[in-house]
Amino acid sequence: QKEVEQDPGPLSVPEGAIVSLNCTYSNSAFQYFMWYRQYSRKGPELLMYTYSSGNKEDGRFTAQVDKSSKYISLFIRDSQPSDSATYLCAAAYGQNFVFGPGTRLSVLP
Amino acid sequence: GAVVSQHPSRVICKSGTSVKIECRSLDFQATTMFWYRQFPKQSLMLMATSNEGSKATYEQGVEKDKFLINHASLTLSTLTVTSAHPEDSSFYICSARDPLAGLSDTQYFGPGTRLTVL
Repeated sequence: QKEVEQDPGPLSVPEGAIVSLNCTYSNSAFQYFMWYRQYSRKGPELLMYTYSSGNKEDGRFTAQVDKSSKYISLFIRDSQPSDSATYLCAAAYGQNFVFGPGTRLSVLP
Repeated sequence: GAVVSQHPSRVICKSGTSVKIECRSLDFQATTMFWYRQFPKQSLMLMATSNEGSKATYEQGVEKDKFLINHASLTLSTLTVTSAHPEDSSFYICSARDPLAGLSDTQYFGPGTRLTVL
């Protein structure tokens, strides 16, 4: 079992839709959770960083962490074609940093 | 946020040659840098963790003699692919931690270097 699992997609949605991206993790030692966005042939860009259960909102993005079920989510409201990218979740504790495989998202105009 | 640069962004070389990729933290000092490779439509694969002033820690299956990592200063780490072969063609990405930032457990990524070995 991989430490961080994520549906690779691809996921296609129409412009304006609400997107839900999800990851699960197996190691209860993980304390910090991140979402990165990676455009094709570019390095990943940090989108959201959370360290506690609950929601964190930043513009159209909401990160949600449920430590009891080891489940993390990223919601994108009013999705735009420019949101089309691969989204990677990550979990960390101390020097340990594990990425999920990424979900490819396409937002269709 | 913290900025990490990589150079070159793209390199094409002949089989058997060595290629050096530089990773720099531009506005912070990074005691730890990471090197990843990524094949098309696949996730990041951690190759090694580089700590300033000490030897890099390589992940299982990564040849340390083939992928030489040097982290000589707090703002620069280099990855040298020695005697490159076509199977080394990949997207190489570095990242760095900013120990003084509030988000001390996150990583900031460079833009990546696309290596093509002919």
